[in-house]
Amino acid sequence: GAGVSQSPRYKVTKRGQDVALRCDPISGHVSLYWYRQALGQGPEFLTYFNYEAQQDKSGLPNDRFSAERPEGSISTLTIQRTEQRDSAMYRCASSLWYGGSEKLFFGSGTQLSVL
Amino acid sequence: AQSVAQPEDQVNVAEGNPLTVKCTYSVSGNPYLFWYVQYPNRGLQFLLKYITGDNLVKGSYGFEAEFNKSQTSFHLKKPSALVSDSALYFCAVRDSNTGANNLFFGTGTRLTVIP
Repeated sequence: GAGVSQSPRYKVTKRGQDVALRCDPISGHVSLYWYRQALGQGPEFLTYFNYEAQQDKSGLPNDRFSAERPEGSISTLTIQRTEQRDSAMYRCASSLWYGGSEKLFFGSGTQLSVL
Repeated sequence: AQSVAQPEDQVNVAEGNPLTVKCTYSVSGNPYLFWYVQYPNRGLQFLLKYITGDNLVKGSYGFEAEFNKSQTSFHLKKPSALVSDSALYFCAVRDSNTGANNLFFGTGTRLTVIP
């Protein structure tokens, strides 16, 4: 596609519900990153993939957070039993190169609000 | 541990004047340094990077940045500001020694160019 696409653009959920955030990277991009951005802060690394392999998940805050990229393209970030502190902008980015964080293309993000 | 500091939350400059957005970093090894820009309701866009070589790097939209190892700085500059440069700017670093691919972002600096 023309750019990194994320859906939904906005997600409002009740505390305790599960949510799934989708990222469709630029076609042909090898690596895919998830970041979380709180208001007034910079993006904070969560996890990344090369193709379908999850290479680093050290930034996931706890075991309620998980991510997958089963076919090496679209990725889903899942948050189980959401809590109010999970409210943030969730950003996906992709790169043409293997592990290539040197130039990331970001999507517009999913704004998650947990009530 | 790696860290990035953007000491100014807000920078105001008159159109046509030179602009500087400051960034300092801390890493254990050699830094890879980046600037990204975020326009309203858009994802972050890559501006420029320093990996190795010439300390002065040139990027998109007429921006440049100078790597200063002794001062651990990577300030973003532009000789003549445009109103359209008004946006949120993020500095980011990756520590080449850790083997990790994730970028560590600063908290951002909001640049306002006054007509």
